[in-house]
Amino acid sequence: GAVVSQHPSWVICKSGTSVKIECRSLDFQATTMFWYRQFPKQSLMLMATSNEGSKATYEQGVEKDKFLINHASLTLSTLTVTSAHPEDSSFYICSASRAGGVYNEQFFGPGTRLTVL
Amino acid sequence: AQSVTQLDSHVSVSEGTPVLLRCNYSSSYSPSLFWYVQHPNKGLQLLLKYTSAATLVKGINGFEAEFKKSETSFHLTKPSAHMSDAAEYFCVVTLNQAGTALIFGKGTTLSVSS
Repeated sequence: GAVVSQHPSWVICKSGTSVKIECRSLDFQATTMFWYRQFPKQSLMLMATSNEGSKATYEQGVEKDKFLINHASLTLSTLTVTSAHPEDSSFYICSASRAGGVYNEQFFGPGTRLTVL
Repeated sequence: AQSVTQLDSHVSVSEGTPVLLRCNYSSSYSPSLFWYVQHPNKGLQLLLKYTSAATLVKGINGFEAEFKKSETSFHLTKPSAHMSDAAEYFCVVTLNQAGTALIFGKGTTLSVSS
């Protein structure tokens, strides 16, 4: 149980294109989903936290208009990188947590590699 | 403020020898702590977690970690390394008591030679 999927796993696009990445919790309802960014050989940096049905909370330094997050249902969150540029190339990882318990453990997706040419 | 420091960016061991990956944390409350492993181009897999129960935590694949409050440490160990253990390891601490946000260490690359 507690499987999180991401689609696509790898996307290559031209500069100026918008790219949508999906994150799905396959066997549980995710009250909260998180989006992380990981540069090569670096750690994960939290970009934003989203709760179903409400606006995402972005971390300092993350452009809301650049990285649009939608958490329309308890099993799906999307991250849209608008007008992507080469510096947006990165590994994007989502995680999802479910309600209950003292600590809401996060379950991570396999990641999406974005390459912007 | 909460923070986590992985003391070694790279650890190299021989197959069959013990593994020690060091992690120190700073927290203003009793945190939850985790170790995750990431194989190349893969997502994160939870190895083990500490959430204020037993201080010695056993995880998957023979890994374990001991929470030492006096030393603010949560080092990851394994008695005998396998080639398949070669990966990136992240020590993670909860940012808040609700556990809804995580802070990742910078990671330790574990290399295992035959």
